[in-house]
Amino acid sequence: GAVVSQHPSWVICKSGTSVKIECRSLDFQATTMFWYRQFPKQSLMLMATSNEGSKATYEQGVEKDKFLINHASLTLSTLTVTSAHPEDSSFYICSARGPMGQGIPYEQYFGPGTRLTVT
Amino acid sequence: AQSVTQLGSHVSVSEGALVLLRCNYSSSVPPYLFWYVQYPNQGLQLLLKYTTGATLVKGINGFEAEFKKSETSFHLTKPSAHMSDAAEYFCAVSEAGGYQKVTFGIGTKLQVIP
Repeated sequence: GAVVSQHPSWVICKSGTSVKIECRSLDFQATTMFWYRQFPKQSLMLMATSNEGSKATYEQGVEKDKFLINHASLTLSTLTVTSAHPEDSSFYICSARGPMGQGIPYEQYFGPGTRLTVT
Repeated sequence: AQSVTQLGSHVSVSEGALVLLRCNYSSSVPPYLFWYVQYPNQGLQLLLKYTTGATLVKGINGFEAEFKKSETSFHLTKPSAHMSDAAEYFCAVSEAGGYQKVTFGIGTKLQVIP
């Protein structure tokens, strides 16, 4: 149980275009989802926390107008990278907290990641 | 504020040898501690976690870790390394209650030499 998927797993886009990444909790309802960014050979950096039905909370230094996060349902959160540039190329990983009321509430279940390359 | 320090960005061990990956944390409240493993181009998989109770935690794939409050450490060990253990390992801390923000260490790349 507690499976999180991401789509696409790999995407290439041209500079100036936008790309949307989906994060889904497949077998549980996730009231909170997290978006991370990982540069090569570095750790995960939290970008934002997404709560279902409310605005995402962004970490300091993350441009909220560039990285649009929507968490419209208990099983889906999306990250849209707007007007992408080569420096946005990275590995984006989402996680979902839950399942609520079972297990350890602070454990995050991670998706497999999406590799974004902006040319 | 919470933070994690992983000593050694690269660790090499021989197959069959002891694996020891070091992690020290800083937290203003009782921490929740985690070890994750990441294989190339994949997401993170939880190896084990400490929340409360027994300080020696056993995880998957033969790994275990011991929470030592006095040393603010949560080192990961495995008695005998396998080739399949070669991966990146991340230690993480979360402060119990509230925001549940998880802070990751920089990671340790484990190389297993045949």
